[in-house]
Amino acid sequence: DADVTQTPRNRITKTGKRIMLECSQTKGHDRMYWYRQDPGLGLRLIYYSFDVKDINKGEISDGYSVSRQAQAKFSLSLESAIPNQTALYFCATSVGGSNNEQFFGPGTRLTVL
Amino acid sequence: RKEVEQDPGPFNVPEGATVAFNCTYSNSASQSFFWYRQDCRKEPKLLMSVYSSGNEDGRFTAQLNRASQYISLLIRDSKLSDSATYLCVVQLKAAGNKLTFGGGTRVLVKP
Repeated sequence: DADVTQTPRNRITKTGKRIMLECSQTKGHDRMYWYRQDPGLGLRLIYYSFDVKDINKGEISDGYSVSRQAQAKFSLSLESAIPNQTALYFCATSVGGSNNEQFFGPGTRLTVL
Repeated sequence: RKEVEQDPGPFNVPEGATVAFNCTYSNSASQSFFWYRQDCRKEPKLLMSVYSSGNEDGRFTAQLNRASQYISLLIRDSKLSDSATYLCVVQLKAAGNKLTFGGGTRVLVKP
């Protein structure tokens, strides 16, 4: 089984709809992240959480919110989806401290019409 | 100016050849550097960290030039399976150890 899972894997929705993307991990990592990837722009950080009580905005948090329900779960919400939020969304985890490696989920391809 | 810049490519490489490409970063306080590999429509995975003295992992060699603020990746004896997008990643300790990703360099190895 994959260590970092994301649901759904693909989603098509309409402008104005509320969407939630979910991420679960079995790695036991404290740190979790949400990124979006657009062609040519690389991955951009939306939100990150260093533990259940710690939530921080990334570079492009406007239009998004997150919830860290447990160490293993970190969900991303789009309260009112708009077409320019069409992108590939990745969740990632890391141990933290001196270990910098991030482990990514398989991604969610979101299309907002 | 982007914090981390890469030539998007593609670099078309004959099988068995050597290919090298660079990545530049804008923040001189950047502390840690990595190359991630991303296959088409898949998640990024760590390829290797980049150390000040340069480091090698099999056919892959990474170099860091702090004075000119760039890192490089060299792939020797290219295999078809090396076809992927290579993401340059920079970490700034002062920014809570968050990672900043470049846009990626696409490499296509052809028979």
